[in-house]
Amino acid sequence: EVQLVQSGAEVKKPGESLKISCKGSGYSFTSYWIGWVRQMPGKGLEWMGIIYPGDSDTRYSPSFQGQVTISADKSISTAYLQWSSLKASDTAMYYCAREVALGEDFDYWGQGTLVTVSS
Amino acid sequence: NFMLTQPHSVSESPGKTVTISCTRSSGSIASNYVQWYQQRPGSAPTTVIYEDNQRPSGVPDRFSGSIDSSSNSASLTISGLKTEDEADYYCQSYDSSNVVFGGGTKLTVL
Repeated sequence: EVQLVQSGAEVKKPGESLKISCKGSGYSFTSYWIGWVRQMPGKGLEWMGIIYPGDSDTRYSPSFQGQVTISADKSISTAYLQWSSLKASDTAMYYCAREVALGEDFDYWGQGTLVTVSS
Repeated sequence: NFMLTQPHSVSESPGKTVTISCTRSSGSIASNYVQWYQQRPGSAPTTVIYEDNQRPSGVPDRFSGSIDSSSNSASLTISGLKTEDEADYYCQSYDSSNVVFGGGTKLTVL
């Protein structure tokens, strides 16, 4: 069974760093893209970027380029999304999702990681 | 980059048919596949239509998708509406290494 299991909810202060994770199982982790999607409270889905764990090819949305870093460790089938300095506006639910190929659908999604940034 | 525009909300009665549109701002709607996702409150999105008009296994055939090049838009049609179809629906497409989501449509079944 394909599963993407994300790390738990986080509460952070502005200026702190954070790295959240997404562990894939039940499929060949290096053969599918993993994307990250933000959903701010009460708002829609926003694509942040995507990584191909097989060769670490990474693409970012222009809106998120330079704001976050996407990485993956294929030895443990885990993708990451990290911030070096959080802002209150980073408060959101973050989903990882698997994509067979660029331009196709995200066929499996993680359960989401809620990140709250507050002083 | 392009945008995908959806109506903010639609409502319809159980048993009826509803269509949600998704209009691409630039570039051809036919140049890249369109996907549709359903998101119920408190849950992650799930695919109801992929590759313009394909249904994943487990999605009822009440859900169908299409594209219309003349209006440069995609549509999600749900027939025989059930109260369980009440959710947010998002279209999604792609261009030049960028994935784009529509703003989402809240479907109310009343």
